Amino acid sequence: GIQVEQSPPDLILQEGANSTLRCNFSDSVNNLQWFHQNPWGQLINLFYIPSGTKQNGRLSATTVATERYSLLYISSSQTTDSGVYFCAVGRSNDYKLSFGAGTTVTVRA
Amino acid sequence: SAVISQKPSRDICQRGTSLTIQCQVDSQVTMMFWYRQQPGQSLTLIATANQGSEATYESGFVIDKFPISRPNLTFSTLTVSNMSPEDSSIYLCSVVTGGGMKTQYFGPGTRLLVL
Repeated sequence: GIQVEQSPPDLILQEGANSTLRCNFSDSVNNLQWFHQNPWGQLINLFYIPSGTKQNGRLSATTVATERYSLLYISSSQTTDSGVYFCAVGRSNDYKLSFGAGTTVTVRA
Repeated sequence: SAVISQKPSRDICQRGTSLTIQCQVDSQVTMMFWYRQQPGQSLTLIATANQGSEATYESGFVIDKFPISRPNLTFSTLTVSNMSPEDSSIYLCSVVTGGGMKTQYFGPGTRLLVL
């Protein structure tokens, strides 16, 4: 199956700092999504972004499908940004997703 | 988007028993999935819950261990059968609402501890 690698595995930030999370994938995809799992376990969909760039408040994402990577940017981080960020990809029309191992982000006040 | 609820939210079970987890969506959806998240790990797809027919299981998961039902477009159940401590995980259902959208939404999860 398709391999999904996320980096870095862990990230510690001071409140107000900016950061970039990376997702590499081993094959072409037609479905790529970023999720945030908060400390209580709830998974929130951040972006559906198989290609191009999107922004939502302090978060933005860019996927370069031809080079098989995606980036998630967090600007002016807040303590509520803490949690695990997952990249998930799919390459068929059955909507199934394969998840990366995640990046654990800790934002300190 | 979709509002998804799961019952129970958590449970502690004895080995050898079975637990059925319910997933309810506030609207009709095209696709429903079940995932497992083992402690400290990422999410792994168990199966696609097909409305009115047998679920489609991923490699490593079998119907006898994880029977799934989906009687309509808003509801599904996952049973974890003959449980062992290795089944201790968070079980999550997710949905794709359809209409050409691929965005996947997740329920709050069911935290299962098997003793």
